[in-house]
Amino acid sequence: SQTIHQWPATLVQPVGSPLSLECTVEGTSNPNLYWYRQAAGRGLQLLFYSVGIGQISSEVPQNLSASRPQDRQFILSSKKLLLSDSGFYLCAWSEGLSRQADEQYFGPGTRLTVT
Amino acid sequence: AQSVSQHNHHVILSEAASLELGCNYSYGGTVNLFWYVQYPGQHLQLLLKYFSGDPLVKGIKGFEAEFIKSKFSFNLRKPSVQWSDTAEYFCAVMTNSGYALNFGKGTSLLVTP
Repeated sequence: SQTIHQWPATLVQPVGSPLSLECTVEGTSNPNLYWYRQAAGRGLQLLFYSVGIGQISSEVPQNLSASRPQDRQFILSSKKLLLSDSGFYLCAWSEGLSRQADEQYFGPGTRLTVT
Repeated sequence: AQSVSQHNHHVILSEAASLELGCNYSYGGTVNLFWYVQYPGQHLQLLLKYFSGDPLVKGIKGFEAEFIKSKFSFNLRKPSVQWSDTAEYFCAVMTNSGYALNFGKGTSLLVTP
């Protein structure tokens, strides 16, 4: 069966420090991968998605970047964190090779607090 | 602006009460609709989904939702809730033009014994 892992589970970082959040998926090949963020009092917002290795699409302009160095690995990064980067970050995957209306499977999330 | 609205942010019900959570969206064109649930301490998981066909869809654990195209709505219902239904519920919309699931802000449901 497929599983999705995220780490760390929680993170407290000072403003201006770098960030690296990792997501890995097991039990599937060529998945579509997604990074979402939930800021306080707001719904989940898609930040990035990837349909293949090295292919990253950004949905909103921001201080963050994403990379996909391996088929089942998705990394969310920042060179310098801002206070507004605080939030709950969720990684998700869906079956690749088919774009429409696929169920997305979510990881446990990372709670990031920027101080 | 395109959006997904969930009308109730916090709902408290007694066991055996009926549940209806509202969801409206403002996207035009063809949409695919989802309800996700997050139980305490667990991952976000799919409750049910609508792609096409019968507008009344049934999901897990006795939940159902009705797609009313003319009202841009996809309300979630359950005739009799249980204490184990205590969770956060999210409505989400996906258009045919993108990959994103566009979520509402969520509704926190507390079911009291």
